[in-house]
Amino acid sequence: EADIYQTPRYLVIGTGKKITLECSQTMGHDKMYWYQQDPGMELHLIHYSYGVNSTEKGDLSSESTVSRIRTEHFPLTLESARPSHTSQYLCASTGVFYEQYFGPGTRLTVT
Amino acid sequence: GQQVMQIPQYQHVQEGEDFTTYCNSSTTLSNIQWYKQRPGGHPVFLIQLVKSGEVKKQKRLTFQFGEAKKNSSLHITATQTTDVGTYFCAGPRNSGYALNFGKGTSLLVTP
Repeated sequence: EADIYQTPRYLVIGTGKKITLECSQTMGHDKMYWYQQDPGMELHLIHYSYGVNSTEKGDLSSESTVSRIRTEHFPLTLESARPSHTSQYLCASTGVFYEQYFGPGTRLTVT
Repeated sequence: GQQVMQIPQYQHVQEGEDFTTYCNSSTTLSNIQWYKQRPGGHPVFLIQLVKSGEVKKQKRLTFQFGEAKKNSSLHITATQTTDVGTYFCAGPRNSGYALNFGKGTSLLVTP
């Protein structure tokens, strides 16, 4: 099992707040990703990074930002949380054979 | 980017019955990956197929990659309650390392 950590695991926050979801991995993987997923539904790619100081937008990126200052760390920031952001956020990284390892996820509720 | 279509969306079987989920792409894929997500969990990598016509087995699970590398299937023989979850296929996104995931097939197995 891969070592990808996400904090917090659960978060309830009010509308308009700025939040940062943390993701870190200890495997030295260059390529990392953020997905948004409603329970049991498809995964939507939000952002990805292929290395330090490299970030790209996915399909649902317009309301969030990411940074990649260190290889092991890939935080996701929502500048102004809205109820439509209520979802699960999954972080992942790519292994040696191009497989993706996922973190446990952050379940976000915006009230 | 390339879209990966997956059917069926849901499948409910009795324990011991077989199960198959299908994945189709409109374009040729360099590889296809399969993931399993248990209820409340995160996706876990199962396998990657690379070669045209490739068939791989993992115990009761059989994975196939089509000759044209545009379709794939996952077949489970004699399902067990431990097989419950959502199975996703995923193909490369725009020839990069990021993936396009199918919408998944949710499998429910009743004893």
